[in-house]
Amino acid sequence: GQSLEQPSEVTAVEGAIVQINCTYQTSGFYGLSWYQQHDGGAPTFLSYNALDGLEETGRFSSFLSRSDSYGYLLLQELQMKDSASYFCAVREGYSSASKIIFGSGTRLSIRP
Amino acid sequence: DGGITQSPKYLFRKEGQNVTLSCEQNLNHDAMYWYRQDPGQGLRLIYYSQIVNDFQKGDIAEGYSVSREKKESFPLTVTSAQKNPTAFYLCASTSAGAGGPREQFFGPGTRLTVL
Repeated sequence: GQSLEQPSEVTAVEGAIVQINCTYQTSGFYGLSWYQQHDGGAPTFLSYNALDGLEETGRFSSFLSRSDSYGYLLLQELQMKDSASYFCAVREGYSSASKIIFGSGTRLSIRP
Repeated sequence: DGGITQSPKYLFRKEGQNVTLSCEQNLNHDAMYWYRQDPGQGLRLIYYSQIVNDFQKGDIAEGYSVSREKKESFPLTVTSAQKNPTAFYLCASTSAGAGGPREQFFGPGTRLTVL
């Protein structure tokens, strides 16, 4: 079957670093994406990895290991506004119009 | 400004009634998607369309129907056959192309409540 596993909840302190893990099992794999969703809002794109290694975008970084079917999102210098749900997603086809499978999300709570 | 619009934001319907959710995009994107999100859960794919006049079932298509008569529009009908339709519905789009853009753009969502 197809599945993406990520922790349901993570708590961290403002200013700290937090890592959200994602393992996947899908019929096809052409990239791992991360999305952020605030309560009541729509998901917004954060990052994308098609090849192994680390991608850095400001305070956020994302890592992929295709041999381990594993990736993570790293958030640094946490701010209160980072409190949200974070979803990993796998694109199953080469075209960007392919089917995308989402994980169930990790709710990040940040304490002052 | 380019983007995706969904209307209405909140929708109430009586059990047994069909209801159609609107999704319009002016991003000139080829592919459009419909997702369902239940409280505290992830996004589950209902239907997606890679091109006009063509669409494919996602993981939870039963009780739903779609059409793609125009590139800009991808309406979703929630039929009376859907056993538990109360949920948050999200429409998304992306441009097509081999190895192309990685990002899905989402509309603001429609929160459907069936009474």
